[in-house]
Amino acid sequence: EAGVTQSPTHLIKTRGQQATLRCSPISGHTSVYWYQQALGLGLQFLLWYDEGEERNRGNFPPRFSGRQFPNYSSELNVNALELEDSALYLCASGRTNWDQPQHFGDGTRLSIL
Amino acid sequence: RKEVEQDPGPFNVPEGATVAFNCTYSNSASQSFFWYRQDCRKEPKLLMSVYSSGNEDGRFTAQLNRASQYISLLIRDSKLSDSATYLCVVSSSASKIIFGSGTRLSIRP
Repeated sequence: EAGVTQSPTHLIKTRGQQATLRCSPISGHTSVYWYQQALGLGLQFLLWYDEGEERNRGNFPPRFSGRQFPNYSSELNVNALELEDSALYLCASGRTNWDQPQHFGDGTRLSIL
Repeated sequence: RKEVEQDPGPFNVPEGATVAFNCTYSNSASQSFFWYRQDCRKEPKLLMSVYSSGNEDGRFTAQLNRASQYISLLIRDSKLSDSATYLCVVSSSASKIIFGSGTRLSIRP
């Protein structure tokens, strides 16, 4: 069974630009979660999508947005990039029944110059 | 008070030792609990789910104490490869899945 896949692996941008990160969940998983992990810090919950709808978002500004496609893959968009957006962005997928664990992709490392 | 709290460590123990750490949670309605491990600059990987009756997977034992609202992870006969950050996850609903900030464990030869 293929795991969660994320692309790109690394992304380098400059301040003010826009970034798009992609995630494909495990087959059969309908939920996709996005997290931000700055260097040396814990996971910060960003967004949760299930069945194509945004179900919950964390305490992040509106320039962090995303969507989920009919095939359950997802995009995370970050507009007007700031230096502090530099982090590892992790995507996890899971089943709609939330009492099952999430499984993570390898992450996209976003660096803002 | 944070909803999920972990001692950040680091715990520095010799190879072969037994080490245990806890994760406390504040929401008494929490229903699902997991332990993940995260290696440096890598993604978290599921280590084990935590069941009400406690569960064991090889050298690892996870327990849940609902009365005191904490879960624990015990590692026996620790190996160098156990060095990682251990994250607890507590959820009370689909929209309330909380990751702890992690406990760093370092096993020395």
